[in-house]
Amino acid sequence: GAGVSQTPSNKVTEKGKYVELRCDPISGHTALYWYRQSLGQGPEFLIYFQGTGAADDSGLPNDRFFAVRPEGSVSTLKIQRTERGDSAVYLCASSPRDRAGNTGELFFGEGSRLTVL
Amino acid sequence: AQSVTQLGSHVSVSEGALVLLRCNYSSSVPPYLFWYVQYPNQGLQLLLKYTTGATLVKGINGFEAEFKKSETSFHLTKPSAHMSDAAEYFCAVRDTGGFKTIFGAGTRLFVKA
Repeated sequence: GAGVSQTPSNKVTEKGKYVELRCDPISGHTALYWYRQSLGQGPEFLIYFQGTGAADDSGLPNDRFFAVRPEGSVSTLKIQRTERGDSAVYLCASSPRDRAGNTGELFFGEGSRLTVL
Repeated sequence: AQSVTQLGSHVSVSEGALVLLRCNYSSSVPPYLFWYVQYPNQGLQLLLKYTTGATLVKGINGFEAEFKKSETSFHLTKPSAHMSDAAEYFCAVRDTGGFKTIFGAGTRLFVKA
């Protein structure tokens, strides 16, 4: 498809389990972002990739969260030892430009809703 | 540090009435400013953006916003609401030299027939 694709759309897991969320950005977009959106809140920045490398991971809440983008396209957000507080919608966005200071319009996927029981 | 404040988590207007969604930002450098819209069960999509130049920017579906530096505001307006405008609207800011886009908490717009 032409847009940002995220899988799974819904994930229910138990506390303590490991979860992977996948993002397939728009073809040719070099910048990729992960955000987290809790109920009633705006998207909260987690991590930004420029190509294969994480240029800014300052938004990751703790070391249970990790993200990779090994070939500069698809990205996976990994959450270890999930907690109930991790329940949220995880949004992925990509952007066509790769220079700091670009206007940075973000193209979002529909999100992965994570529920930790 | 950048921040965004959206006044009013919920706004209700009648069909045909003026829509006004308020946004104030904080940024230490000239910002880029955005409004995104999220329709039910859909991803966020860009409504309009301010980068440089004209301070009144027009977006899709008849929306517009005006960048007022002296007031650090970027309020979103539409002269006449339509039922299809019912959605959640997010104001966002990005430093001109940075990578991060910071979002406000959102305003849910209800349109009454």
